[in-house]
Amino acid sequence: DTEVTQTPKHLVMGMTNKKSLKCEQHMGHRAMYWYKQKAKKPPELMFVYSYEKLSINESVPSRFSPECPNSSLLNLHLHALQPEDSALYLCASSQAGGVGQPQHFGDGTRLSIL
Amino acid sequence: QKEVEQNSGPLSVPEGAIASLNCTYSDRGSQSFFWYRQYSGKSPELIMSIYSNGDKEDGRFTAQLNKASQYVSLLIRDSQPSDSATYLCAVPDLYNFNKFYFGSGTKLNVKP
Repeated sequence: DTEVTQTPKHLVMGMTNKKSLKCEQHMGHRAMYWYKQKAKKPPELMFVYSYEKLSINESVPSRFSPECPNSSLLNLHLHALQPEDSALYLCASSQAGGVGQPQHFGDGTRLSIL
Repeated sequence: QKEVEQNSGPLSVPEGAIASLNCTYSDRGSQSFFWYRQYSGKSPELIMSIYSNGDKEDGRFTAQLNKASQYVSLLIRDSQPSDSATYLCAVPDLYNFNKFYFGSGTKLNVKP
């Protein structure tokens, strides 16, 4: 079992829907991440929050909107997604700052856009 | 553009053999290196971290780092079919440690 919990595990949505992905960690980590992963490709960084503040946005389209309500929670709000957004969405967490902090991944949410 | 390179494989080894996975990186100043294992359809799982030149052993896994040559390796001794997975090498950005550069991953097949 991973210590980073993501819900839901699977999500199917239409292009006009609004949905949210949720991530929770209780390891006391102060950095949290959203990644997108397509089949047979490495994870692709989307957003990084450090101490609840957005520190990296990798030029992600505005139809993806991250939110970090507190140090343990991370959300990704989805709206008007495209079929090419179908992928595995991974949340990760780590200690913030300093060299050598590994990232720990949740099980992911498999998203399908109809 | 930072680069982390791995052979995509597949690397096929018989059960009980040593599997050797390699990763090269472009940024000479990199200080920390991570190996993740990812089973098909699952999320990446951290299996090794290494920070200093030389070898680091953890059970059947050994990570080897050579900063002068800018490569990091993962050796899996007594390979088991359950080791069949994709192995990802990750190297943090020098100026933003939260940003990882991942290699494309090496697919390992361990044949019974």
